[in-house]
Amino acid sequence: GAVVSQHPSWVICKSGTSVKIECRSLDFQATTMFWYRQFPKQSLMLMATSNEGSKATYEQGVEKDKFLINHASLTLSTLTVTSAHPEDSSFYICSASVRAETQYFGPGTRLLVL
Amino acid sequence: QQQVKQSPQSLIVQKGGIPIINCAYENTAFDYFPWYQQFPGKGPALLIAIRPDVSEKKEGRFTISFNKSAKQFSLHIMDSQPGDSATYFCAATGAARQLTFGSGTQLTVLP
Repeated sequence: GAVVSQHPSWVICKSGTSVKIECRSLDFQATTMFWYRQFPKQSLMLMATSNEGSKATYEQGVEKDKFLINHASLTLSTLTVTSAHPEDSSFYICSASVRAETQYFGPGTRLLVL
Repeated sequence: QQQVKQSPQSLIVQKGGIPIINCAYENTAFDYFPWYQQFPGKGPALLIAIRPDVSEKKEGRFTISFNKSAKQFSLHIMDSQPGDSATYFCAATGAARQLTFGSGTQLTVLP
C-alpha cells in the first residue's frame, strides 16, 4: 500500500518551454502533497505544500509564478515548471501524506532543460 | 531552528558490519523522526520512524536509538549487506507536518 507515482520519469525540454509533472497517490487519498527538488548528491529541499482544493504554500525563495502547483483531487497534484531554463534542471520528487506525519515519496522526475 | 544535522557524510563498512548514522536537532517542537533510504535516481523510501516518547525502535535489521535530552537520534543497520548501499536521510517533523531533512549519508557496504 501507500504507492505514489510520478509522470513522466524523465523529461528533456528546450529553454523557454513549460513542463508539467504529475504526482498520483495510487491506493490512498492524500489530503496533503509535497513537492521537493533535489540536486545531485544533495538533500531534498521542500518547494511547496499542496492541500486538495486550496492554494499551495510555497517555501521562501521558491517562485510561485514559475512553479505552478495544482492539487485538483485527493489523488492528483501537478507541478508545472513555466518558461524553464537550464538552471531549473533538477530531480523533482513529490510525496503524499496518508496519516498526519507519514509521507510517501514518488519515484521522482528528472528534468533536463537544454 | 529547523535544521537537522546529519553525520557522517559518507560511510564504508564491510558486509556484516553495523553502520551507525547520527542526527541532531534543535527544535524541541519536532515530534516525529523518520529515516529514509534513497537509491540513485529513485525517490526516498520510508525505512523506520520513531516518536520522542520511545528510546529505541527496531524493525528487521534497522534500529533507531533516540535520546530526547540530547536531541539526538541514530540509525543502526545490523548485519549490513551490499544491497544496503544507498543514501540515508534522517528527517524530523512537527505540527506543520513538513519534513526537515538531514544532509544525507552515502553508505557503501563492501562485499
